[in-house]
This record gives sequence, structure tokens and C-alpha cells, in this order.
Amino acid sequence: DAGITQSPRHKVTETGTPVTLRCHQTENHRYMYWYRQDPGHGLRLIHYSYGVKDTDKGEVSDGYSVSRSKTEDFLLTLESATSSQTSVYFCATRGEGSRNQPQHFGDGTRLSIL
Amino acid sequence: QKEVEQNSGPLSVPEGAIASLNCTYSDRGSQSFFWYRQYSGKSPELIMFIYSNGDKEDGRFTAQLNKASQYVSLLIRDSQPSDSATYLCAVNSGSNYQLIWGAGTKLIIKP
Repeated sequence: DAGITQSPRHKVTETGTPVTLRCHQTENHRYMYWYRQDPGHGLRLIHYSYGVKDTDKGEVSDGYSVSRSKTEDFLLTLESATSSQTSVYFCATRGEGSRNQPQHFGDGTRLSIL
Repeated sequence: QKEVEQNSGPLSVPEGAIASLNCTYSDRGSQSFFWYRQYSGKSPELIMFIYSNGDKEDGRFTAQLNKASQYVSLLIRDSQPSDSATYLCAVNSGSNYQLIWGAGTKLIIKP
């Protein structure tokens, strides 16, 4: 499986604080994605990247920003965390090639905003 | 709005029986379809993908695709308690490399 490491795995923080989640991959995959998963909503795309310094918004991007300065790292930042951002966050990567290439997931970060 | 619909379940199936999971999608331009399994507290893992009409078999799993009716299904033969999980259907969204995700069906295999 794709080597995808998310850090931290768990985090508890307070409303209004900045939070950065890191996704690190060792597969040299071009595409990287940040999702959040909440009960009843499935996976929702926050932001994605199609190369170094190339990023775009997903369906739930408000309150989040991302950066990708190296192929292997994709950072998700909550500038000022709110309780509505309490969720499980997954990073995924995808290699180049046909549309049949699947996405592979990291183990997730469980984030609680108090 | 492109959508992928799944019955949330839970779907309860006796051990050894066939479990049938269904998914419908709205975008006729979709070309690739993926089934993922997600155990509670874990990340999604790929089971299989399909892109041609008809059936695709991989061990106890069979994916079925009907593009005319816009549905894709997953059959699990000889269901085992270890198959108890949430199954996510994902569909590629046309010309880019994003996936549209269903909310998942929770499957429970009863011993």
C-alpha cells in the first residue's frame, strides 16, 4: 500500500487556535487530497493538490487552507479552529495514469475542538 | 450537483450468505467506479474497481456495473463476520481526478 503517514494521529485543542495537520507520502504520487469524515456525511473533500504549489478547493474548503511545497508533503491548516471542525481528517494520494487509479488513504487524524 | 447514493443500512446478513450492496450515481460521464471497505475507527481501503459494463470478480467479491441504469453493486459471497464493516462507493467525477463518495452502507454479518 502507498506509504502515507498522517500526523498527529489525535489532537485536542481549543476554539480559536491554529491547527496544522501533516500528510507525508513516500510513493511520489502527484495527487493528494484532504477529506473530513463525519457521521451521516461520508467523505467530503476539503482541498486537493495536483502538483507542487498547485492546489484547489473542494466542497467544504471554508475555514481551511493547504500548502504543498514538496511532492511528499501536503499540509492542512485550520487558521482559527471552530467546534464545527471537530472531525476525522483523512489524507489520500493517487498516482498518475488512467482514471482507474484508486486513491489510497492514510490512517487519519482525530481532531477535537473544545 | 453530482451525487452518489447508498442505502445507509445497517444491512444484516447471515454468515455464509451473499451480501448485496448497491450504489447509484447521477453523472452519466462517470467512467470509473470503486468499492472501499472501512472498519470502525480505521481508514478506507480499496476492495476493487470496475469500469466496464458487466461483472468483475475478485475472490469472494463481485462488482457489477450497469451504466445505462447508472448503478454499481458489490456482491460478497460466503459472507464472514470479518466482512462486517461500512462499504463506501466512489465514482470518478468526469474529467478530473476527484472522486464523488457515497455515505456508505453498514454491513453486519451475523454468526
